[in-house]
Amino acid sequence: DIVMTQSPDSLALSLGERATINCKSSQSVLYSSNSKNYLAWYQQKPGQPPKLLIYWASTRESGVPDRFSGSGSGTDFTLTVSSLQAEDVAVYYCQQYFSSPRTFGQGTKLEIK
Amino acid sequence: VQLQQSGPGLVKPSQTLSLTCAISGDSVSSDSAAWNWIRQSPSRGLEWLGRTYYRSNWYHDYAVSVKSRITINPDTSKNHFSLQLNSVTPEDTAVYYCARDRYYMDVWGKGTTVTVSS
Repeated sequence: DIVMTQSPDSLALSLGERATINCKSSQSVLYSSNSKNYLAWYQQKPGQPPKLLIYWASTRESGVPDRFSGSGSGTDFTLTVSSLQAEDVAVYYCQQYFSSPRTFGQGTKLEIK
Repeated sequence: VQLQQSGPGLVKPSQTLSLTCAISGDSVSSDSAAWNWIRQSPSRGLEWLGRTYYRSNWYHDYAVSVKSRITINPDTSKNHFSLQLNSVTPEDTAVYYCARDRYYMDVWGKGTTVTVSS
């Protein structure tokens, strides 16, 4: 199984600050034949299911604010929130869909300081 | 596309957990989607359980941790898919989600809290 490890576990920042969440996979999720990274990011607020933010490591889902961006390749990935808003308080998860079983990171809790 | 979950919130130990996910706006027989069950608990985080999908034939894919106890079945007449998890224990207490995946999971059900207790 591919193990997904996120850092940090939690993050507290002021409104307007930049948030950076890292995700590392235990093996590459880059498929060489199409040069795509099989990596997604989700946002989960209390009492709600996860919401897709980013797929193919850097493609923003329709309707997701452009302050959210994804980057990285191979085994190392980053989710960036360029200017933290109050509504961004949530837990963020990375997930690989390169192979079965699909696996998720343990989550990063993003809070306002 | 919407996924509507239904099923009991309380199951007794050793019995079978059964949930259904009704699909609107897509088809369980779609050849470009797969239909998943995922659960979430404080101890296990988000845990993918398995999926069913149609590519000229029906296929199933299950997590090793539950492979001996799980069945995910499509129902084309009702356009839904179901989860059955046998011989449950308190460790199966979790919020259960259904989700569509077209590689990434872009549509999720609202979740069903299932408690295993006598």
